[in-house]
Amino acid sequence: QKEVEQNSGPLSVPEGAIASLNCTYSDRGSQSFFWYRQYSGKSPELIMFIYSNGDKEDGRFTAQLNKASQYVSLLIRDSQPSDSATYLCAVKGGYGNKLVFGAGTILRVKS
Amino acid sequence: AAGVIQSPRHLIKEKRETATLKCYPIPRHDTVYWYQQGPGQDPQFLISFYEKMQSDKGSIPDRFSAQQFSDYHSELNMSSLELGDSALYFCASSLGSGDTQYFGPGTRLTVL
Repeated sequence: QKEVEQNSGPLSVPEGAIASLNCTYSDRGSQSFFWYRQYSGKSPELIMFIYSNGDKEDGRFTAQLNKASQYVSLLIRDSQPSDSATYLCAVKGGYGNKLVFGAGTILRVKS
Repeated sequence: AAGVIQSPRHLIKEKRETATLKCYPIPRHDTVYWYQQGPGQDPQFLISFYEKMQSDKGSIPDRFSAQQFSDYHSELNMSSLELGDSALYFCASSLGSGDTQYFGPGTRLTVL
C-alpha cells in the first residue's frame, strides 16, 4: 500500500463544472500537504499547500484537510480545458523534509 | 520571478557511462532536493541538502552521489548507468528545510 493514495482517474468534467480530487495518507505524523499540477513531460507546479484542518481557498482552488480522517482534497471551480493535467498530492511527514507523492489523478476538462 | 534552473535539459548516455546533473536553486533558497520520475510514475525522493549538508536520504542507488556547493547549487553524479535509470530528474528548492518546494524544469536522461 502506498503511503499516499489517489484515484488515478481519469476524472472527466465538463467545462465550468467543479472538479473534486481526493487523497488519503497513512502517516499520522504528516505535517504539510501539497497539491501539484503536472502537464505531460513537465515539472510539478505548486497549486496549493495546507497545514491546518479545514479549508483554504485561493482563486478557483480550495484545499481541504481532515487530519483525523487522514484525507486531503482539492476542489477546482469553473474548470477550464487548461486545467486538464495530472494532479499530484504530496505529503511531508513528521520526520525529514522529503515529499511523498501519490500516483496522481488525471483530470480532463471537456469543452 | 527567478525559478530553479537545471542543466542539461536533455541527456543521452550509453550503459555503464557516467552523468552529472546540475541544479541552481531559486536565489536565497538554501535547501535542494532531488527527485526521480520514471515513465508513468510519481516523483520519488532521492536526496536533499540543507546548508551544504545532506539532510535526508531516500531511495538513491549507491551508484549515485550528490553534493551541495558553497553557492547552494547542487550536482547529482550518476555512475555505471543502467537502462532503468532513464527518467526525468527534478531538482526542487526551498527556503529552509521545512518550507514549500519549488521544482525545476527537469533533466530528461535517456540511457541506451
